[in-house]
Amino acid sequence: DGGITQSPKYLFRKEGQNVTLSCEQNLNHDAMYWYRQDPGQGLRLIYYSQIVNDFQKGDIAEGYSVSREKKESFPLTVTSAQKNPTAFYLCASSIFPAAGGGSTDTQYFGPGTRLTVL
Amino acid sequence: QQQVKQSPQSLIVQKGGISIINCAYENTAFDYFPWYQQFPGKGPALLIAIRPDVSEKKEGRFTISFNKSAKQFSLHIMDSQPGDSATYFCAAALRSGGSYIPTFGRGTSLIVHP
Repeated sequence: DGGITQSPKYLFRKEGQNVTLSCEQNLNHDAMYWYRQDPGQGLRLIYYSQIVNDFQKGDIAEGYSVSREKKESFPLTVTSAQKNPTAFYLCASSIFPAAGGGSTDTQYFGPGTRLTVL
Repeated sequence: QQQVKQSPQSLIVQKGGISIINCAYENTAFDYFPWYQQFPGKGPALLIAIRPDVSEKKEGRFTISFNKSAKQFSLHIMDSQPGDSATYFCAAALRSGGSYIPTFGRGTSLIVHP
């Protein structure tokens, strides 16, 4: 089955520690994205990558870092510089370049990782 | 600055009723408007989407109405069912470097009572 895998589902870390969230996809998509979801806030874009070895900052990139060494993988590191890291983190992927604004251009989301910093 | 405003924040309807969720956007450059459905503990999934060159799109019990001049769009769920209970997000997307990057509304929590 094609899809996006995020692991682990739940993650607990102590304040001041860096933590890396995993995202893997086998949809053969070139573009991958990381979002943060907080209650009542919707989804906010952290980083995105359209091709291997290239990525762009989203709206709330401060305190986060990413890498894109393989097409299938886009790990997100939450650093100690992130002021309020406790949240639900969602990874997504899509085709690239977009075909023209139809359903084929949509983002497919993984199941998410809930990070709690104690 | 919230580019996509979604209302209501929560909605309770009876089984068989009509659920209506509204969204408004400001940037006229947005040209793709998807709606996502999210169940607790899961990632969002595309429900239905529309381009601004059409005023309405229907898929089964779900309909998007789009008013380009008013910069508003809405989701109508006909014959709402308890299984429709979920959080719904509208989004407005802009083509950026070859990808459609959506800006999401804050979500509407829908509860459908049996």
